[in-house]
Amino acid sequence: EAGVTQFPSHSVIEKGQTVTLRCDPISGHDNLYWYRRVMGKEIKFLLHFVKESKQDESGMPNNRFLAERTGGTYSTLKVQPAELEDSGVYFCASSQVRGRGNTEAFFGQGTRLTVV
Amino acid sequence: DAKTTQPTSMDCAEGRAANLPCNHSTISGNEYVYWYRQIHSQGPQYIIHGLKNNETNEMASLIITEDRKSSTLILPHATLRDTAVYYCIVRVPQGGDDKIIFGKGTRLHILP
Repeated sequence: EAGVTQFPSHSVIEKGQTVTLRCDPISGHDNLYWYRRVMGKEIKFLLHFVKESKQDESGMPNNRFLAERTGGTYSTLKVQPAELEDSGVYFCASSQVRGRGNTEAFFGQGTRLTVV
Repeated sequence: DAKTTQPTSMDCAEGRAANLPCNHSTISGNEYVYWYRQIHSQGPQYIIHGLKNNETNEMASLIITEDRKSSTLILPHATLRDTAVYYCIVRVPQGGDDKIIFGKGTRLHILP
């Protein structure tokens, strides 16, 4: 069974440009999370989807970030326009909902975003 | 989620048991203890979790004190590949505010 996959693995863009990150969760996982790790800092929660609905987006840094999960399958995280401080590694995770097995979250390998 | 306290870093000799402590003195009755680790350049990886009983799986053992205010993750025979940052997290799985909150973790160095 495939794990959580993220694309691209690396992205280098100029300040002011737009970047879209994609996450494919494990099949059947209704919970999908986005996290970010900025250099030297802790891994920070961004938002949580349950199927296609945003359950919690309290960690989104500002309105330059837009996350979508149309159809409740894969998710995209768009940064527009990108700023230098957006550089970091963006992780996606997925998990089952309650009552359908283990509740641990599985993480993807991350997308390393560099804004220059 | 309740806060946890972990040492900043630890060293362990290869082949020996690595014991990583975690304090969670404000843990609630319905909160579980989870451990994750992040190996350099990879995504966080689930290790183990428990509520109050000790748990063991193919990766590690989790020892939770009777009062549940602290726990220890044990890697029985540490290898160089176990060098990583280890995170102790307490959460209510699938609770209303279900998200994993990462702290600073413990940076474990396995020494050859």
